[in-house]
Amino acid sequence: DTGVSQDPRHKITKRGQNVTFRCDPISEHNRLYWYRQTLGQGPEFLTYFQNEAQLEKSRLLSDRFSAERPKGSFSTLEIQRTEQGDSAMYLCASSPGTGVWETQYFGPGTRLLVL
Amino acid sequence: GNSVTQMEGPVTLSEEAFLTINCTYTATGYPSLFWYVQYPGEGLQLLLKATKADDKGSNKGFEATYRKETTSFHLEKGSVQVSDSAVYFCALLLTNAGKSTFGDGTTLTVKP
Repeated sequence: DTGVSQDPRHKITKRGQNVTFRCDPISEHNRLYWYRQTLGQGPEFLTYFQNEAQLEKSRLLSDRFSAERPKGSFSTLEIQRTEQGDSAMYLCASSPGTGVWETQYFGPGTRLLVL
Repeated sequence: GNSVTQMEGPVTLSEEAFLTINCTYTATGYPSLFWYVQYPGEGLQLLLKATKADDKGSNKGFEATYRKETTSFHLEKGSVQVSDSAVYFCALLLTNAGKSTFGDGTTLTVKP
């Protein structure tokens, strides 16, 4: 399987705990994106990387959120001091990074539940 | 800003019925347009796309035409199947922009 993979698929945590999600993009895709999807809504953009550089961050990405892509391959998204409002599906996507209009390929998502 | 408005759901159809899901957009530039599908318990899958005005995207019997004059990208299928039951998202992507902007999704249920 050469698609985008995410780990874990599900995470239950208690309010105030830190969580970290991992995304492995399609091999040789230079761009990597994080989105958040809450029930009944479409995905909302959080941030994206071109190789290891984080090029854009949404205002949705509060100080408690941090994303990294240290070697330009996999990426991690960490949420510190989780709140119940952080409960959502976190989606990762990747694209080649060489074109003008690029299709973004999505992973299966990590579903987070904060109790 | 950029936004996508989709027809509200849920939509319930009988098998072999004709499907239309409306999508209109507002964009500050010249976007490319996409339809994604999300089956229960799965991630988003690209269904079809169009990158310029009057282009028609098509896949698996679904079609959508990029209408710049009406800023629309309506999804159609002539004869739906039970297996088409899913949530459908319309989205736009601006040239060289990092982010896609999505609509809120339309849930389709097809009954035998």
